[in-house]
Amino acid sequence: GQQVMQIPQYQHVQEGEDFTTYCNSSTTLSNIQWYKQRPGGHPVFLIQLVKSGEVKKQKRLTFQFGEAKKNSSLHITATQTTDVGTYFCAGSRNFNKFYFGSGTKLNVKP
Amino acid sequence: KAGVTQTPRYLIKTRGQQVTLSCSPISGHRSVSWYQQTPGQGLQFLFEYFSETQRNKGNFPGRFSGRQFSNSRSEMNVSTLELGDSALYLCASSLGQKVDYGYTFGSGTRLTVV
Repeated sequence: GQQVMQIPQYQHVQEGEDFTTYCNSSTTLSNIQWYKQRPGGHPVFLIQLVKSGEVKKQKRLTFQFGEAKKNSSLHITATQTTDVGTYFCAGSRNFNKFYFGSGTKLNVKP
Repeated sequence: KAGVTQTPRYLIKTRGQQVTLSCSPISGHRSVSWYQQTPGQGLQFLFEYFSETQRNKGNFPGRFSGRQFSNSRSEMNVSTLELGDSALYLCASSLGQKVDYGYTFGSGTRLTVV
């Protein structure tokens, strides 16, 4: 079946350093979404990418969707302690059944 | 506007028992999906309902079932519980037929099977 692979599993950074997590799918996706889950919380929707090669920004966060619509990345510039949490990508082929990546757990040291 | 409400928040059951979890989506949301979250397996898709119909199903055994009512509220049932069913069960709702605007997740039900 369709799988969405996400790397790295963990990332420890010093506050102010950049952070990137990557997602790859074995099949072409209709869209990809990104979520953040704080420790002890539930996933919170960040953004959706639909178009090939799409790039979206939210303040220090930059999201990219690959040209082939099989991969995506989330880049955080100058991390802050408030960025701590697990970041998940979720890909779909039909807009309503999503496969989540395993998540990247980000720890930011002050 | 109330969020997605899941009840109960915590549950402890014994192996072999069955359990029913409830989810009330955001008012107006017609799509409800269920996910199982475990430390080892991450978020695994269980099923998705839209207008009382199951549209998609994940790769879980038949012990896992669900339904959606006319008011969009959903329940999932797990029969003959196993230790490996211990997990956080998350319900997510979305507005329409396509999850165009992302899921809104509930806080989850943490199920412990002993």
